[in-house]
Amino acid sequence: GENVEQHPSTLSVQEGDSAVIKCTYSDSASNYFPWYKQELGKGPQLIIDIRSNVGEKKDQRIAVTLNKTAKHFSLHITETQPEDSAVYFCAASDSGGGADGLTFGKGTHLIIQP
Amino acid sequence: EADIYQTPRYLVIGTGKKITLECSQTMGHDKMYWYQQDPGMELHLIHYSYGVNSTEKGDLSSESTVSRIRTEHFPLTLESARPSHTSQYLCASTGGAGVKAFFGQGTRLTVV
Repeated sequence: GENVEQHPSTLSVQEGDSAVIKCTYSDSASNYFPWYKQELGKGPQLIIDIRSNVGEKKDQRIAVTLNKTAKHFSLHITETQPEDSAVYFCAASDSGGGADGLTFGKGTHLIIQP
Repeated sequence: EADIYQTPRYLVIGTGKKITLECSQTMGHDKMYWYQQDPGMELHLIHYSYGVNSTEKGDLSSESTVSRIRTEHFPLTLESARPSHTSQYLCASTGGAGVKAFFGQGTRLTVV
């Protein structure tokens, strides 16, 4: 089955700096890669996703890149703000996005230092 | 905002009690899931359903049971709660291939 590794487990950056979270996956059949943000006391919320036919996708300060050859994908957050502090999860799927096919990374606790 | 709801948000209960965690979605999604989230934040799939009368066990063994009598409703039951069941339980749903997964707000269960 699929295995998703996520690094780092904790990331502390100064407000205004960029943050990068990296994930690798093992199953070359995976074709859908979502990122979730979980704030304290809440459920994970989908913030951005990318499919295997695309190398990069941006949404305001957030971007995701995918390298299919190397089987890794990354989340980039620019101009970080205090409200970006949360736990971020990457995931991979070969079933088009349904949660039964989603394999999650272990999460990254992002801390934005004022 | 996704239309998927979990109740209660917080529950403290004594050992041996029977409990049911509720999960409902108004999006008409066929697939629904329960995850257990440990203190380290890792997500573990414990149950899922492809539709009415369908239930499957997930990757992590759990003493809980689930039912799917109606499309919109996917309750999780613990017949006899124990302190080891203390955890955060998250419900999710998706409408099928190519559709994104949405999570509820979670239920924080504490068994004393």
